[in-house]
Amino acid sequence: DTAVSQTPKYLVTQMGNDKSIKCEQNLGHDTMYWYKQDSKKFLKIMFSYNNKELIINETVPNRFSPKSPDKAHLNLHINSLELGDSAVYFCASSETGTPNYGYTFGSGTRLTVV
Amino acid sequence: AQSVTQPDIHITVSEGASLELRCNYSYGATPYLFWYVQSPGQGLQLLLKYFSGDTLVQGIKGFEAEFKRSQSSFNLRKPSVHWSDAAEYFCAVGGNTPLVFGKGTRLSVIA
Repeated sequence: DTAVSQTPKYLVTQMGNDKSIKCEQNLGHDTMYWYKQDSKKFLKIMFSYNNKELIINETVPNRFSPKSPDKAHLNLHINSLELGDSAVYFCASSETGTPNYGYTFGSGTRLTVV
Repeated sequence: AQSVTQPDIHITVSEGASLELRCNYSYGATPYLFWYVQSPGQGLQLLLKYFSGDTLVQGIKGFEAEFKRSQSSFNLRKPSVHWSDAAEYFCAVGGNTPLVFGKGTRLSVIA
């Protein structure tokens, strides 16, 4: 039973395209997150979302948008992809918006823009 | 603003030797502190966490960490490293805001 699953695991696409990454969690958690890990392994929060509030990191370009059809899913949609968007994107979830119990991470989606 | 510093980018230890990975944090309130491990091509796995109580916390895989408020540190230790411990280790801090991660320490293990 995969707790947090992301699809696809690998994504190669051309500049200018629009793509989505899907994330699903079966833990019953209330809050989900998207992190970006760059080539130097640095993890940076992009979004956090629960059924009440979307918090956007102000440094994230508006080409990135999270979409949540229900509490168990938080998809990441990216418009007009750029070379600099190449990275590994991690989805995570936690209970009730606090990190008290830590986050559960998905296995990541490696995005390569060519 | 909250931040995490992991001063060591890369550490190499011999199998069976002890290990200490350093982590310093900056946080305006009571911190929740975490250590995660990332094996190549994998997601992040929680090793241990601290949010109150005993300042020495035990985690999985034989790891432990000690919270020292006076030094704003949360160093990770293991008495005897195994070759399978080779990975990237991340320290993170949070409270009621999303976790902020350090830049990671890559651990290499030699025979």
